[in-house]
Amino acid sequence: DIQMTQSPSSVSASVGDRVTITCRASQGISSWLAWYQQKPGKAPNLLIYAASYLQTGVPSRFSGSGSGTEFTLTISSLQPEDFATYYCQQANSFPLTFGGGTTVDIK
Amino acid sequence: QVQLQESGPGLVRPSQTLSLTCTVSGGSISNDDYYWNWIRQPPGKGLEWIGYIHSDGSTTYNPSLKSRQTISLGTSKRQFSLKLSSVTAADTAVYYCARVIGSRGWYFDFWGRGTLVTVSS
Repeated sequence: DIQMTQSPSSVSASVGDRVTITCRASQGISSWLAWYQQKPGKAPNLLIYAASYLQTGVPSRFSGSGSGTEFTLTISSLQPEDFATYYCQQANSFPLTFGGGTTVDIK
Repeated sequence: QVQLQESGPGLVRPSQTLSLTCTVSGGSISNDDYYWNWIRQPPGKGLEWIGYIHSDGSTTYNPSLKSRQTISLGTSKRQFSLKLSSVTAADTAVYYCARVIGSRGWYFDFWGRGTLVTVSS
């Protein structure tokens, strides 16, 4: 199985801050990576797919980059509704696997 | 817009079989490009993919569940189901159904709201 490791596990930030989350794969996955946002009591919501493509309806302050084994999710200017947990997911091979999550909370 | 809704018992006894159904509305489950998945999340923990079914009945499962899972199409063309046998407390989780568009890659673009299943005597 491909292991996905996210860092940091949590980050405290303020509205307007730039936030970057890293996801590392245990082996190369090309650009087969997605990012999801999950708020408490809700299902995850797809933000980014194929490492850098913005899902329809997702604000442009979210962006993704990377390929191979290292990927980043960047929120350019944190908004109040962005406080949530973020997960990466590899789509390269079965079984599909997720990172452990990064919680973005209010500083 | 497609919507998914999970349903089933919220409490299952240890060693019994967990059974859940996902009902799809606003789209066809029979589209050749769609794959229908189950994913779970233990309380306070991360996400685990359980497996998928295609409209042709083909399936792929996560080996981590040791072949306890079975995903099948419902008699209604708008439903698919999950059965998980020999459950223990470790199977307590929120269970989600989700869609993948195969031609775009294995990304979950629509999810149900999730249903909490507790395994307890």
